Amino acid sequence: AQSVTQPDIHITVSEGASLELRCNYSYGATPYLFWYVQSPGQGLQLLLKYFSGDTLVQGIKGFEAEFKRSQSSFNLRKPSVHWSDAAEYFCAVAAGSSASKIIFGSGTRLSIRP
Amino acid sequence: ETGVTQTPRHLVMGMTNKKSLKCEQHLGHNAMYWYKQSAKKPLELMFVYNFKEQTENNSVPSRFSPECPNSSHLFLHLHTLQPEDSALYLCASSQATSGDYNEQFFGPGTRLTVL
Repeated sequence: AQSVTQPDIHITVSEGASLELRCNYSYGATPYLFWYVQSPGQGLQLLLKYFSGDTLVQGIKGFEAEFKRSQSSFNLRKPSVHWSDAAEYFCAVAAGSSASKIIFGSGTRLSIRP
Repeated sequence: ETGVTQTPRHLVMGMTNKKSLKCEQHLGHNAMYWYKQSAKKPLELMFVYNFKEQTENNSVPSRFSPECPNSSHLFLHLHTLQPEDSALYLCASSQATSGDYNEQFFGPGTRLTVL
């Protein structure tokens, strides 16, 4: 069965510092991978996605993620965080050709230290 | 209105009440989804509709009854709920339910409290 693990429940980084949020997935074939962000009181917004091709994908708001098949990972990175990046971040995997069933990780809450 | 809208944004109901959640998408999509987001639990897919037909029911209790009258509207009818059903209910839509076209766009959610 497909699964997604986000090992960090809560991370605090200083404004201007770099960020890496970890995500590991379990899926037999090539997965469709996503990162979503959820600000308080809001729905989820797609940051970036990986379907195939270049393993380093660029997203919105200066985020990027790298797909590493050997490590079953899809970590999210940003070189310099801003206070407005404080939110909940969800990694997700879609199963198979019928990608309607997206499995979400439990999320990582990001706090920004001024 | 743009994107995906949900009404109401907040709902408090008793266990014997009947209420409905509404979702509307203004993106010309063909697929719509209901998710449940509980505290300290991963987002759970509840239902999927593709071209108004239900294609996924993730073992959801019958006290939750979805309705999709057209590709733009999705309802979740609620009756005899339990306190553990209190959660944020998110609606999403996508162009289709497969492959590259499955990017899902989410509404802001309805915060449901069952007393």
